Amino acid sequence: QAVLTQPPSASATPGQRVTISCSGSSSNIGPNAVSWYQHLPGTAPKLLIHNNNQRPSGVSDRFSGSKSGTSASLAISGLQSEDEGDYYCVAWDDGLTGPMFGGGTKLTVL
Amino acid sequence: DEQLVESGGGLVQVGQSLTLSCAASGMRFGGSGIHWVRQASGKGLEWLGRIRTTANNFATSYAASVKGRFTISRDDSKSTAFLQMNSLKTEDTAVYFCTWGFDFWSGYFKIWGQGTLVTVSA
Repeated sequence: QAVLTQPPSASATPGQRVTISCSGSSSNIGPNAVSWYQHLPGTAPKLLIHNNNQRPSGVSDRFSGSKSGTSASLAISGLQSEDEGDYYCVAWDDGLTGPMFGGGTKLTVL
Repeated sequence: DEQLVESGGGLVQVGQSLTLSCAASGMRFGGSGIHWVRQASGKGLEWLGRIRTTANNFATSYAASVKGRFTISRDDSKSTAFLQMNSLKTEDTAVYFCTWGFDFWSGYFKIWGQGTLVTVSA
């Protein structure tokens, strides 16, 4: 069971901005870096953000990340239909001694 | 290009065993740990466990949900990792991914495979 808490769903219309939250604790997000992935059915998860707010080369600047204390968030601006999919936050958990996933957020573009 | 390819998935019955393989190319396979992640239908991604490098004595760690039933191993000479799954349950039905390397300081998995489907029938 995920201990990184994400809202199960989010939705917005094309062109709008949407934010997905990820709430953790002092054993995961608090001391460690957060990454965000987009996962579409039948594919490998795609890295969107690492080190809390860094975008890998090739990822649109419509995606941005932030972290404060034991929470993190992913913002997507200028929403497009191809942004539909599942989004996951990840952080190392010192208690698990392994990386931990959030429960995932299903994004719908209305 | 760096690539991971999982294989060995399929249909098995409850209580049986199955071993998945993760073959790597285009990378210094032995230079990073290997993690296994799964996604059951309609559920989120779940970290299963990892095996570290030879420099770390191939140490392994597992999620509580699979500890004692799943075993991760690797053969660096063949650039291949394995996930041995015993006493399979219907709830183990999922797509299984292997990943190469978790960058601790930036918090992300470096390379993912495409996944292989395991179906456990009652």
